[in-house]
Amino acid sequence: ETAVFQTPNYHVTQVGNEVSFNCKQTLGHDTMYWYKQDSKKLLKIMFSYNNKQLIVNETVPRRFSPQSSDKAHLNLRIKSVEPEDSAVYLCASSSTGVSNERLFFGHGTKLSVL
Amino acid sequence: GDSVTQTEGQVALSEEDFLTIHCNYSASGYPALFWYVQYPGEGPQFLFRASRDKEKGSSRGFEATYNKEATSFHLQKASVQESDSAVYYCALSPFNTGNYKYVFGAGTRLKVIA
Repeated sequence: ETAVFQTPNYHVTQVGNEVSFNCKQTLGHDTMYWYKQDSKKLLKIMFSYNNKQLIVNETVPRRFSPQSSDKAHLNLRIKSVEPEDSAVYLCASSSTGVSNERLFFGHGTKLSVL
Repeated sequence: GDSVTQTEGQVALSEEDFLTIHCNYSASGYPALFWYVQYPGEGPQFLFRASRDKEKGSSRGFEATYNKEATSFHLQKASVQESDSAVYYCALSPFNTGNYKYVFGAGTRLKVIA
């Protein structure tokens, strides 16, 4: 049963446009993540928030910016998309406090940049 | 930094074959180890985990044993079914470092032919 909800499922856009993706979790978790999954299925972490605080910020282009209004929501904005941004963007959440806590993923948002 | 190496590319089997997907890790400290499975159109799902040496994790007929000496966590299943076709990820979660960066392997695509 899905408890991490992402919108939209798909988005097709042109180079230079701005896009925003939304993520909401209903699990009561305090940590949320954005991962990028490329066409070879490689998963790369982009950002992580804990209780609305940015705690992981990997080396991603400045055109990517995460936004968290509360611990249940984490959005991702891409200011001016490039062709290499085409990928599936996966949102995930977890509960901190124990180091072996698992991640819960959404179904992903597939971005195609023409 | 921490890393996970797993069987590369695709594994093709017939139904009822025995499955092994290799996973080796490199980490400082004592990480928790995970297997995740991703079906088409979905995000990765937690399969199982192990947190200490010689602990066996298992779910849905899949199993793996934490081997600290060999730094391994190989996924096995005695008899695969067509419905097991998916991408499998080995992952680690650093222990007690305040580090929220799970590390995923590159993924192994399993194709089971009926």
